[in-house]
Amino acid sequence: QSALTQPASVSGSPGQSITLSCTGGSSNVGNYNLVSWYQHRPGKAPKLIIYEVNKRPSGVSDRFSGSKSGKTASLTISGLQAEDEADYYCCSYGGSSTYVFGTGTEVTVL
Amino acid sequence: QVQLQQWGTGLLKPSETLSLTCGVSGGSFSGHYWTWIRQPPGKGLEWIGEINQSGGTSYNPSLYSRISISVDTSTNQFSLNLTSVTAADTAVYYCASRSYDVLRNYYNSWFDSWGQGLLVIVSS
Repeated sequence: QSALTQPASVSGSPGQSITLSCTGGSSNVGNYNLVSWYQHRPGKAPKLIIYEVNKRPSGVSDRFSGSKSGKTASLTISGLQAEDEADYYCCSYGGSSTYVFGTGTEVTVL
Repeated sequence: QVQLQQWGTGLLKPSETLSLTCGVSGGSFSGHYWTWIRQPPGKGLEWIGEINQSGGTSYNPSLYSRISISVDTSTNQFSLNLTSVTAADTAVYYCASRSYDVLRNYYNSWFDSWGQGLLVIVSS
């Protein structure tokens, strides 16, 4: 199955809000509310920041929020901070006990 | 969450077999799906496959013919074997896990524990 499509890069100034998209198909994002998002800094393990489309794990800032419409899931980062610079990956259940990740978005804080 | 520590051979020649192991500590070995994920240089994450404590597996269809994931409940470890490697298999490999939610009687669909990652290079 093909990777979910994410924009290669998104940038914003401190304090701004940015939205990252994650587009799949009817076999994954469009058919299941099982989208998660991960923050990945260089040299570190990915960190879960959103699960089941819009739920935040304990300890994750409420500046991170998720949503979904049709075949596209979105991650919004509000009040952008320098520490938010990282790569962000979406992941969706793909049916038949498989999972598929997105292509990843590099977030730059200007 | 559990702690995951992974190890294995970091340099392989084409056609060899990649073997990685991930040790689990700090929690129950049962009640999880144990997963392998990789990231080729400059590319995104790719789900490789997973196994539960009973040995039930699920694999990425694109790698299915070359993958084997196994589990050793006596040592709380799980392993990945990937045969006939090529340069395209060069990547940072992560072990990770999905937890079982007792309240919902359901395995969560997200990866909440990750290993530190291990760079595997395939080069002649």
